[in-house]
Amino acid sequence: QVQLQESGPGLVKPSETLSLTCTVSGGSISSYYWSWIRQPAGKGLEWIGRIYTSGSTNYNPSLKSRVTMSVDTSKNQFSLKLSSVTAADTAVYYCARVAEQLVLDYWGQGTLVTVSS
Amino acid sequence: AIQLTQSPSSLSASVGDRVTITCRASQGISSALAWYQQKPGKAPKLLIYDASSLESGVPSRFSGSGSGTDFTLTISSLQPEDFATYYCQQFNNYPQTFGGGTKVEIK
Repeated sequence: QVQLQESGPGLVKPSETLSLTCTVSGGSISSYYWSWIRQPAGKGLEWIGRIYTSGSTNYNPSLKSRVTMSVDTSKNQFSLKLSSVTAADTAVYYCARVAEQLVLDYWGQGTLVTVSS
Repeated sequence: AIQLTQSPSSLSASVGDRVTITCRASQGISSALAWYQQKPGKAPKLLIYDASSLESGVPSRFSGSGSGTDFTLTISSLQPEDFATYYCQQFNNYPQTFGGGTKVEIK
């Protein structure tokens, strides 16, 4: 059973860079796309982007100028960096696997990131 | 970006009721639509993909239909564990987008 686990600081200062890592267990990270999604408290879901194990990426245009995703197949991990954060970036951040049908079939439990000084 | 509009935004229903949630896309997306269930404090769970295909392990009381711009999620007989928020998601175009959610509450 594939499992995903997000990790990273729960508190980030305004204007700094949010950095999260997703560790995949129970299966190989290879040959799949992997996504990041976020959800502000009490609100809906926002797709941030996806990365293939080759390093190919697709980002949400609304965040593209601030987002960088990377993958480390040797560690079965992929990562998200979001620069110049503001309070509007406060949310639960999820990592997820992209199935062949392009839907999100396995999700991490989510990690709350708060942007505050 | 394609906008997905879900209705209603919330509903109250009783155990055993038939529940229907709709999702309308701002432009045609063929059958590239999924439905997720999210319970408080938990990650979303995939229920339906390709508009009408049931994800493995999901009870058969859940069904999806539609294509183009109009889609529905139906729960044929609501069970206590089905009280949750439901989201549709389109994956026909980037960026992938989600509907605003429908909260199903106990009547």
